[in-house]
Amino acid sequence: GPKVLQIPSHQIIDMGQMVTLNCDPVSNHLYFYWYKQILGQQMEFLVNFYNGKVMEKSKLFKDQFSVERPDGSYFTLKIQPTALEDSAVYFCASSTGRRATEVFFGKGTRLTVV
Amino acid sequence: GDSVTQTEGQVALSEEDFLTIHCNYSASGYPTLFWYVQYPGEGPQLLFRASRDKEKGSSRGFEATYDKGTTSFHLRKASVQESDSAVYYCALYQGGSAKLIFGEGTKLTVSS
Repeated sequence: GPKVLQIPSHQIIDMGQMVTLNCDPVSNHLYFYWYKQILGQQMEFLVNFYNGKVMEKSKLFKDQFSVERPDGSYFTLKIQPTALEDSAVYFCASSTGRRATEVFFGKGTRLTVV
Repeated sequence: GDSVTQTEGQVALSEEDFLTIHCNYSASGYPTLFWYVQYPGEGPQLLFRASRDKEKGSSRGFEATYDKGTTSFHLRKASVQESDSAVYYCALYQGGSAKLIFGEGTKLTVSS
């Protein structure tokens, strides 16, 4: 089936540094999402993105977070600066449209802030 | 805002047992309802979906029926296998807000 690819699978970073998580969504998809999952807990919506703009962001999407899809390929989540509480698995997802009946997820990037 | 509630945080069964995981939602209109399954080290994978009242979704022996009256979408399987061990998420998608909202998840452990 369609694949969402996330790079890297695991990243360790010092607190206060910047990190960029990369996502290669399904090729014909138009809506993009980031979700956060702290170990053993539920999937929590961070942000969605369409037509070059953020549509909605949750309260978990702090001012230090930003998203973009600069060249129409990778959809990125940047955290600057990182904090200890940002340690989690971040899942990228994509769907074909607003009335999409399926959202496809990547395998996640495990971010560890030390 | 819209929300999804799963009653069971963890379920432990033996092979061939009957499975029920309860899911209730709160949302306006007719959201699309989903069951996703997540295996260790993987992202959530779609099990099935339903978008209308009384519609039944099913896959791999799992099934759930969209019930707008009780705002429920309970997951059932008649005979579980050890390979069904995973975390199961009920979720809803509202086209107007273009986002998928997950329940808390239910960890299913099936022993042989």
